[in-house]
Amino acid sequence: GNSVTQMEGPVTLSEEAFLTINCTYTATGYPSLFWYVQYPGEGLQLLLKATKADDKGSNKGFEATYRKETTSFHLEKGSVQVSDSAVYFCALSGSSGNTPLVFGKGTRLSVIA
Amino acid sequence: DTGVSQNPRHKITKRGQNVTFRCDPISEHNRLYWYRQTLGQGPEFLTYFQNEAQLEKSRLLSDRFSAERPKGSFSTLEIQRTEQGDSAMYLCASSQEGVGTEAFFGQGTRLTVV
Repeated sequence: GNSVTQMEGPVTLSEEAFLTINCTYTATGYPSLFWYVQYPGEGLQLLLKATKADDKGSNKGFEATYRKETTSFHLEKGSVQVSDSAVYFCALSGSSGNTPLVFGKGTRLSVIA
Repeated sequence: DTGVSQNPRHKITKRGQNVTFRCDPISEHNRLYWYRQTLGQGPEFLTYFQNEAQLEKSRLLSDRFSAERPKGSFSTLEIQRTEQGDSAMYLCASSQEGVGTEAFFGQGTRLTVV
């Protein structure tokens, strides 16, 4: 079945540092890929997505590229801020559009000033 | 639209009691999902509806759990004879149908079974 593996946390960075959170997936066909974020005390919200190979999703300075050859969707940001402290979840939905989201375990990011 | 709404936000119950949670999705969304999240884990899929039809249930879902979505609007999730292992955050999400559509999540109902 479909599955997502993301790097274990927690990750602690200083402000303005470069961020990478690795995510790889297992799925048949061409799934859609997502990064969701959960800020403290808030619900899950979509950060970015990509629906086909080589697509790049981007939002709020974060980027991730859908790499079919390496089955990966790594999240990157060039310069993190304290306000980026949150839990980040990689997720996928099946290529048919009829399967629910499957999530990774999440990576907690703490950014210190 | 105020987004996906879940009630109650918190529920404490004694082991063996039944509990029911409600989810009101975004009005134009025909899909509604239930997930469970425990500390340090990602959301785990429980079940989903398209309009009023329940299309899929997780194989991990105990028969003590039941969900309904009458008339394709709000949904309820009931847990019968609660156990301590049911303690978790229960999340509801809704979306339009289609490939790669975004799911919008509610803030969840935190269940504590004592």
